[in-house]
Amino acid sequence: DGGITQSPKYLFRKEGQNVTLSCEQNLNHDAMYWYRQDPGQGLRLIYYSQIVNDFQKGDIAEGYSVSREKKESFPLTVTSAQKNPTAFYLCASSGSSGGSRGDTQYFGPGTRLTVL
Amino acid sequence: GQNIDQPTEMTATEGAIVQINCTYQTSGFNGLFWYQQHAGEAPTFLSYNVLDGLEEKGRFSSFLSRSKGYSYLLLKELQMKDSASYLCAVRGHNAGNMLTFGGGTRLMVKP
Repeated sequence: DGGITQSPKYLFRKEGQNVTLSCEQNLNHDAMYWYRQDPGQGLRLIYYSQIVNDFQKGDIAEGYSVSREKKESFPLTVTSAQKNPTAFYLCASSGSSGGSRGDTQYFGPGTRLTVL
Repeated sequence: GQNIDQPTEMTATEGAIVQINCTYQTSGFNGLFWYQQHAGEAPTFLSYNVLDGLEEKGRFSSFLSRSKGYSYLLLKELQMKDSASYLCAVRGHNAGNMLTFGGGTRLMVKP
């Protein structure tokens, strides 16, 4: 089955620890994205990547880091520098960045991170 | 920059019709998306509009007026399973296909 997977679904960490969230897609999509969602709010863009070995900061990149070594994978690290990391994290991918309907972003199931 | 507004909550009755509005102000426009998100789950794609007019897909329709910076999502024959948040997202003219999301409208369908 084609799709986007994120693991784990629930993650707990102690304050001051770094943690890495996994995102994998087998849709052969070029572009991948990380969003953060807080309760009752919309999605905010953390980082995005249009091609392998390249990524760009989104609106709220501080305290986060990413890598894009393979087309299929776009892991997100939440560092200890992120002041308020408890949130629902969503990964998405799209076919390209050409601006047509084919560039619809499709989402993975999300990871709910709680800092204790 | 971009600013997107939609109502926070709406309530409707099973079998009825509901319209969820979205207004936006953008420095450039290259498409508007509607997503459905059930509590604790990922958003799922519902519709895409880039030209003015109505796009119909089964019980769901989406309308766009670019001159007014306005869109709505119309849900017909409401079912209990339609209780969810509905997210409006706008794509500007940017290299990364980036979307700006509104805060979402939580729809509660009552029997």
